[in-house]
Amino acid sequence: GENVEQHPSTLSVQEGDSAVIKCTYSDSASNYFPWYKQELGKGPQLIIDIRSNVGEKKDQRIAVTLNKTAKHFSLHITETQPEDSAVYFCAATRGGSYIPTFGRGTSLIVHP
Amino acid sequence: EAQVTQNPRYLITVTGKKLTVTCSQNMNHEYMSWYRQDPGLGLRQIYYSMNVEVTDKGDVPEGYKVSRKEKRNFPLILESPSPNQTSLYFCASKLGDGYTFGSGTRLTVV
Repeated sequence: GENVEQHPSTLSVQEGDSAVIKCTYSDSASNYFPWYKQELGKGPQLIIDIRSNVGEKKDQRIAVTLNKTAKHFSLHITETQPEDSAVYFCAATRGGSYIPTFGRGTSLIVHP
Repeated sequence: EAQVTQNPRYLITVTGKKLTVTCSQNMNHEYMSWYRQDPGLGLRQIYYSMNVEVTDKGDVPEGYKVSRKEKRNFPLILESPSPNQTSLYFCASKLGDGYTFGSGTRLTVV
């Protein structure tokens, strides 16, 4: 089955810096890659996603890149703010399946 | 407002006392799922349902049951809870791509 590795497990940055979280996946048939943000005391929330026919997608300060050949994808947050502090999860879904495989999460801490 | 509603938010129970965590969605989603979240282990799928009366095991189904009698509801049942089921539980639903998650149920079994 699919295996998703996520790094780092903890990331600490200063406000205004950029943050990058990386995930690798094992199943070349995976074609949908969402990212979720989980704030303290809340459920994960979908913040951005990318499909395998696209190499990059941006939404304001966040972007996701996908390298299908290397089987890795990354979340980029620019100009970080304290409200970006949260746990971020990546996931990969095989084509034709409804079931995503999640990474173990990255705790992002943005220091004011 | 489109949402997934879980109840209760917090629950402390004793070993062996049957309990049910309810989950309801108002988005007419066909696919629903239960996850547990434990420190260092991320989100692990317990059970999922593709539609009414269609359920299947996820990665960690032992000790849990589910039912899907109506499209909107997907309760999680612990027939005989044990301390290793102490965890944070999330219900989620989707129609196509990304999940909508509930706010979570923190369960403590003593």
